[in-house]
Amino acid sequence: GENVEQHPSTLSVQEGDSAVIKCTYSDSASNYFPWYKQELGKGPQLIIDIRSNVGEKKDQRIAVTLNKTAKHFSLHITETQPEDSAVYFCAASIGNAGNMLTFGGGTRLMVKP
Amino acid sequence: GAVVSQHPSWVICKSGTSVKIECRSLDFQATTMFWYRQFPKQSLMLMATSNEGSKATYEQGVEKDKFLINHASLTLSTLTVTSAHPEDSSFYICSARDLALGTGELFFGEGSRLTVL
Repeated sequence: GENVEQHPSTLSVQEGDSAVIKCTYSDSASNYFPWYKQELGKGPQLIIDIRSNVGEKKDQRIAVTLNKTAKHFSLHITETQPEDSAVYFCAASIGNAGNMLTFGGGTRLMVKP
Repeated sequence: GAVVSQHPSWVICKSGTSVKIECRSLDFQATTMFWYRQFPKQSLMLMATSNEGSKATYEQGVEKDKFLINHASLTLSTLTVTSAHPEDSSFYICSARDLALGTGELFFGEGSRLTVL
């Protein structure tokens, strides 16, 4: 089955700096890669996703890049703010509806004011 | 986006009792819902896939008689932790897709924190 590795497990940055979280996946058939933000005591919220037919996607301060050949994808957060502090999870799945997601181990991001 | 609601958000129970957690899709129909368990500082682990009108599909290592899943309608799935023990204490999260959106996006509930004394 699919295996998703995520690094780093913790990341501390100064407010205004950029943060980068990287994930690798094992199954070359995976074609959907979402990123979730989870605040303490809450369920995960989708912040951005990318499909295998594109290499990069951006939404304001958040961007995701995908390298299908190397089977890795990354989350980039620019101009970080204290409210960006949370746990971020990457995930991968094959296909769209009905297929389960395999999650990475999570990255605890701390943005220091 | 679509909304998935869980209830209760937290529950404390005595060892040996059963606890039911509800997962509702509020503005869409979900033929399939997913139940995850998350231990402190760990990732989400899929427990089972809940299928409306049929039996749930459990992941390897998850006891189906321990974690009863019922998906009685297109908007409600329930997870019952039977004869709960302290090791069952965890954060349980459900999720569902709004197939009408066609995006494959998975929407998560707010989670239910179970503490078994």
